[in-house]
Amino acid sequence: DSGVTQTPKHLITATGQRVTLRCSPRSGDLSVYWYQQSLDQGLQFLIQYYNGEERAKGNILERFSAQQFPDLHSELNLSSLELGDSALYFCASSGSWGEETQYFGPGTRLLVL
Amino acid sequence: GENVEQHPSTLSVQEGDSAVIKCTYSDSASNYFPWYKQELGKRPQLIIDIRSNVGEKKDQRIAVTLNKTAKHFSLHITETQPEDSAVYFCAASKAGRRALTFGSGTRLQVQP
Repeated sequence: DSGVTQTPKHLITATGQRVTLRCSPRSGDLSVYWYQQSLDQGLQFLIQYYNGEERAKGNILERFSAQQFPDLHSELNLSSLELGDSALYFCASSGSWGEETQYFGPGTRLLVL
Repeated sequence: GENVEQHPSTLSVQEGDSAVIKCTYSDSASNYFPWYKQELGKRPQLIIDIRSNVGEKKDQRIAVTLNKTAKHFSLHITETQPEDSAVYFCAASKAGRRALTFGSGTRLQVQP
């Protein structure tokens, strides 16, 4: 167990819908990263938050957004869902700014029908 | 941006043999190189990492080597066991941008 938690574990929804994925980092970690894992794209970085502020963006679609709250948990919002958004979504956390090591949560499996 | 290439994509070995997985990276500023093991449907688990000021690191049956000049790093697993069967990912990051760029993964199968 990495200490990073994610909810829900599974999510099934329809095209055009909106969902919210939740992540709680390890106790004391300030950085949260979101990654998407799909069969054809592998593990891809989406976005990073550090202590409530957005710090880096990767291949994140405009339909996707995220935020980190004062208690450091983070939410990833996916809207206008398409079939191709079906994937495993992981969050990872690390400690202080510049800390390299990231610990991954168990992931949320999203299926868009 | 950074690009990490990983090979082979699949690797099958007999129990007790060694396995080697290789990765190359493109950004010379990258200075942190972790390896993750992922079992089916589970989270990526960090198994070993290396920083650019070190050429080699070992942890029991697992070792990682780094060649900064050639911009490549490798994972070595000795005395493989069936429980080593999984997908292994290499990754890279750099100071100022700690988001990980992953390789495409290697599916390792250890035949008992």
